[in-house]
Amino acid sequence: DSGVTQTPKHLITATGQRVTLRCSPRSGDLSVYWYQQSLDQGLQFLIQYYNGEERAKGNILERFSAQQFPDLHSELNLSSLELGDSALYFCASASFGTGVYGYTFGSGTRLTVV
Amino acid sequence: SQQGEEDPQALSIQEGENATMNCSYKTSINNLQWYRQNSGRGLVHLILIRSNEREKHSGRLRVTLDTSKKSSSLLITASRAADTASYFCATAGNTGGFKTIFGAGTRPFVKA
Repeated sequence: DSGVTQTPKHLITATGQRVTLRCSPRSGDLSVYWYQQSLDQGLQFLIQYYNGEERAKGNILERFSAQQFPDLHSELNLSSLELGDSALYFCASASFGTGVYGYTFGSGTRLTVV
Repeated sequence: SQQGEEDPQALSIQEGENATMNCSYKTSINNLQWYRQNSGRGLVHLILIRSNEREKHSGRLRVTLDTSKKSSSLLITASRAADTASYFCATAGNTGGFKTIFGAGTRPFVKA
């Protein structure tokens, strides 16, 4: 157990639907990062939050949004889902905003859009 | 394009041999990290090397960093079948908001 909790572990939904992925960072970590990994691909950075505020944005589609709550957990909302959105979505947390001590990853949410 | 790019993308080695993977990056960094991912699982942090370090060891892992060439290498000594996984490098900058970029990974296959 890495200390980063992601729920749900698996999600199957239909095209056009909306889903919410949840991440609880490791205790004491203020930063949350979201990544998308398609089949046999590298990780694509989506977005970073630090202590409730958006800190950096990557290749995140307009159909996707995220937020970090006062208790530091984060949610990634994916809407108008398309088949190509099927992927593993990882959350990682870090102590600070710059990852100077490394990142701790959750086990991911596998999203299948049918 | 990716900040961290691993090379090679695939690697086949015999059990007991050493496996070396390389990572190149583009911008200045505070540190570089290596991660391992078993198929379909989350990434596990292996080792972090800071920009003022040149070499670091952890068990059977040895990481080197050459900031002048903007490259790093990960050496796994005495490979085991269980080392079969994807290995990613990632870099972190000095300022807040830096988005760590992971490469596509190297996937060594260790033959028994």
